[in-house]
Formats: sequence, C-alpha cells, structure tokens
Amino acid sequence: DVKVTQSSRYLVKRTGEKVFLECVQDMDHENMFWYRQDPGLGLRLIYFSYDVKMKEKGDIPEGYSVSREKKERFSLILESASTNQTSMYLCASSAQGRDTQYFGPGTRLTVL
Amino acid sequence: SQQGEEDPQALSIQEGENATMNCSYKTSINNLQWYRQNSGRGLVHLILIRSNEREKHSGRLRVTLDTSKKSSSLLITASRAADTASYFCATGLTGANSKLTFGKGITLSVRP
Repeated sequence: DVKVTQSSRYLVKRTGEKVFLECVQDMDHENMFWYRQDPGLGLRLIYFSYDVKMKEKGDIPEGYSVSREKKERFSLILESASTNQTSMYLCASSAQGRDTQYFGPGTRLTVL
Repeated sequence: SQQGEEDPQALSIQEGENATMNCSYKTSINNLQWYRQNSGRGLVHLILIRSNEREKHSGRLRVTLDTSKKSSSLLITASRAADTASYFCATGLTGANSKLTFGKGITLSVRP
C-alpha cells in the first residue's frame, strides 16, 4: 500500500514565524502535491512537483514556497506565517502518467 | 476556478438506503474521480472513470459519467453508518500533468 506521511498532525505557530511542513511518500512517485482545505472552499492546490527540484505553482501559491530535494520528500514552507494561513494542509502523491492521488493524513495548522 | 461542483452539499439517509451524489464540471476532462474523507483525515481514492467511459462499478459504488451534460453521479448502495464521511469529486484535465481540481464536497450522514 502507498503510504504518505506528514510530519505533524497538529501544529500551532505564531504570526511571523517560518513554518515547515514535510511530506514523505514511500512509493517512488514522481508527482507530489500540496493542498489546503478550508470549510466551504474545498481543496485548493498550492504547489506541485513532478520531479526532483521541479515545482509549479498551483491556484494559491502566494505566501508559500516549496522544496523537493529528494524524490520521496516534498516540503511546504510558510516564510512568514499569517493568521489567514490557518488551515488543514494535505499532501498527496501520484505516479507519473497515473491520475489517482494518494493523500497523507493532513496537518492542521493554527497561526496565532 | 473550481472545476467540480457537488450536489447536494449535505445528505442524510438511513442505514440500508442508497445515497446518490452528483458532480458537475465546466470544461473538457480526461477523467473524473471520487474521493472520501473521514472527519479530520486525508482523502481516500474511491473510483476513477475516464472520459470515454459511461459507467463503472466497484463493490457498493457505482459511478456514471455524462460528458454531454458535463456531470457525474456516485451511487452508494445499501449504505452503512461507516459510509458517513465527506465525498469529493475531482476532475483531471487533458494535458494537466496529473493535476486534479476538487469540488467543495458533500457531507453524507448515514443514521444507524
């Protein structure tokens, strides 16, 4: 079974802090994705990566950056956290040429 | 912009009844998928239907796709309390590099 893990289930940070959310998948997938999920808005794509060191902006990249130095790991970075970044963050991966995405359990981030 | 829109937003049924959920989308797609999310968890892939398919089955799940109407429906037969969850449709666009666009979700409650 594909396993996607995220570094924290719950995280509380203060405004202005730099925040790292990490995602690791164990199935050698080429594609990895970061979403945020907010009530009434569904899932929105922040960034995705289809190869090591490759990244593309999703629908809402502002205020975020990403890093993919190794194939299995995709990090989401909040350079200076703000209260409007309080949300559930979901990581997913998929194999190249395959459309099904596999999700991690999510990180609920609260920015105070 | 949101591609998939689910209907209804919330559905409450009795155990043993069938649950039907609908999804409409706006542009041409390569595939349409349904995912389930239990409260506070990540999404789990349920079923995928390609644009050249009209109907697919998986266990108690039946999904249909009508590309002329740009709509899909997910039927869960003989529902169980454990089916209580949020359900999302996601569309994959041609040439979109495995990206998916998710709807806002349907909350299904199955009463024991």
